[in-house]
Amino acid sequence: AQKVTQAQTEISVVEKEDVTLDCVYETRDTTYYLFWYKQPPSGELVFLIRRNSFDEQNEISGRYSWNFQKSTSSFNFTITASQVVDSAVYFCALREETSGSRLTFGEGTQLTVNP
Amino acid sequence: AAGVIQSPRHLIKEKRETATLKCYPIPRHDTVYWYQQGPGQDPQFLISFYEKMQSDKGSIPDRFSAQQFSDYHSELNMSSLELGDSALYFCASSLGLGDKTGKMNTEAFFGQGTRLTVV
Repeated sequence: AQKVTQAQTEISVVEKEDVTLDCVYETRDTTYYLFWYKQPPSGELVFLIRRNSFDEQNEISGRYSWNFQKSTSSFNFTITASQVVDSAVYFCALREETSGSRLTFGEGTQLTVNP
Repeated sequence: AAGVIQSPRHLIKEKRETATLKCYPIPRHDTVYWYQQGPGQDPQFLISFYEKMQSDKGSIPDRFSAQQFSDYHSELNMSSLELGDSALYFCASSLGLGDKTGKMNTEAFFGQGTRLTVV
């Protein structure tokens, strides 16, 4: 069965600090997809990134970067030079190819960036 | 760009009443998903539709039903509401992921959610 674990329930940093959000997943599928979503205080879920299991290249988008390591079943998310607007709950999610199109979410990490 | 539209944004109902949530997917998207997010919890998959047919079913109570219409919009009908149904309900849409053998690795885009409060 698929499972996503985000061990960090809450993280608090000061603006301009770098912060890494951890995500560990479990799956028996060889083909699967990993996602990160951001949920700001306003409540909407904002798509950030999708990673396919057969593509282990790390990705950088502005201040955001993602480190995908199949060997440790991890898909960590780093925010460089954090800003107050980064304060949100961040969810890691997994979709298995054999489990249809549903997403299984981790429990989320509440990130608070203080000025 | 057009996003997923959900209505209403907020809804207050009394116990045992019924509620209908509506979702309008991104144009050209053929798959719609419904998720329920309780307070302080992660979103839980309820049900999905692909080309107007139910494609997957998660932890949706029997009191709930949903369908996708010919214009691809979807409605989630909730009856005999209970206090525990109070949650944020998300609709999401995607292109080409509805059937279980779908190979297209596209992402699902979420609406802003409907916050249901049952009193």
